[in-house]
Amino acid sequence: GAVVSQHPSRVICKSGTSVKIECRSLDFQATTMFWYRQFPKQSLMLMATSNEGSKATYEQGVEKDKFLINHASLTLSTLTVTSAHPEDSSFYICSARQGASFDEQYFGPGTRLTVT
Amino acid sequence: GDSVTQMEGPVTLSEEAFLTINCTYTATGYPSLFWYVQYPGEGLQLLLKATKADDKGSNKGFEATYRKETTSFHLEKGSVQVSDSAVYFCALNTGFQKLVFGTGTRLLVSP
Repeated sequence: GAVVSQHPSRVICKSGTSVKIECRSLDFQATTMFWYRQFPKQSLMLMATSNEGSKATYEQGVEKDKFLINHASLTLSTLTVTSAHPEDSSFYICSARQGASFDEQYFGPGTRLTVT
Repeated sequence: GDSVTQMEGPVTLSEEAFLTINCTYTATGYPSLFWYVQYPGEGLQLLLKATKADDKGSNKGFEATYRKETTSFHLEKGSVQVSDSAVYFCALNTGFQKLVFGTGTRLLVSP
């Protein structure tokens, strides 16, 4: 099946700094990419949806100035957590969709962010 | 709002045992229902789906039936293997191109 990679898999940063997470579709072109956040023992929460070349659509309650999403190409999306704080520590998962069907939506393995 | 409730894990079974992971949902409209599986170190993979009431999704020996009357989509497998050890997520979609996930249930299968 199609593969989505995320980099880095784990990152530790100091409070107040910014960190960038990359999401790549390795063998297909992704018209739409999604970013999720997962807290321990909780479900994946959709943060935003992005289409290549367009601004991301953020879910209610997600600060778009804090979580900057760029979808500059059909194979790459980035999530930048700006001025990170300990409460931003979480597991971030990206997903890429090749077409319109959920059968064509593939998930990355996730990035563990720890803010100290 | 729309939500999915899954049984808490971990579910611990011996190889060849019967598996049931419960999933119930709350949704407006008529959602499509999904089960995803996440193996260690990998991304979520679509395991099976059902798009309307009474549909049965099946894949790799796993089955789930869309029960509208009980708003459930329980995952079952007749004989689990060690390789089935993973985290299983139930999810729904109500047509806004977004998935709503449950909290996931970890399955541990011992030889």
